[in-house]
Amino acid sequence: KAGVTQTPRYLIKTRGQQVTLSCSPISGHRSVSWYQQTPGQGLQFLFEYFSETQRNKGNFPGRFSGRQFSNSRSEMNVSTLELGDSALYLCASRPGRGGYTFGSGTRLTVV
Amino acid sequence: GDSVTQMEGPVTLSEEAFLTINCTYTATGYPSLFWYVQYPGEGLQLLLKATKADDKGSNKGFEATYRKETTSFHLEKGSVQVSDSAVYFCALSDRDFGNEKLTFGTGTRLTIIP
Repeated sequence: KAGVTQTPRYLIKTRGQQVTLSCSPISGHRSVSWYQQTPGQGLQFLFEYFSETQRNKGNFPGRFSGRQFSNSRSEMNVSTLELGDSALYLCASRPGRGGYTFGSGTRLTVV
Repeated sequence: GDSVTQMEGPVTLSEEAFLTINCTYTATGYPSLFWYVQYPGEGLQLLLKATKADDKGSNKGFEATYRKETTSFHLEKGSVQVSDSAVYFCALSDRDFGNEKLTFGTGTRLTIIP
């Protein structure tokens, strides 16, 4: 059974640009969540999607957005990148309820 | 709001030593509790979980017991191996308030020396 797949694994962007990260959940998992991991702030919840609807949102500015498609794949977008957005972005999926399975993450570096 | 406090690291132990990583939590409802492990360059792997008071989660020789009276979920292993070197995160999910996001502790870096 394939795990949670995140693409790309690494990304370098310039301040002011925007970026889109992709997450393919485990087959049959309808919930996808996104987390940001930084050395200073640790692991912080960004948002959760279930059946194409945002079900929960963390305390991040509006520059951070996401969406989920009918096949449960999810994307997150960060606009007007800032240096502080450099982080490991983790996606996790689960069937409606139950344990979360995490992907390996996308490491974003903003220069 | 919900929060998780875990033992500051880094922790360095010799192989075959006993491991305890402390974790306490604050939650408004009745949370599920988790330990996740992160190896270098990787995402998080679920190590074990417990969903109600007095439950014991266990996996790969690691154990943790959900203690509601002390709001704790300490991770233990009787004999650590070099391969256990990683960062360990305690987390909770407070489902009773419809808010099932994971709230994580700051992580504890564990290094096992041969």
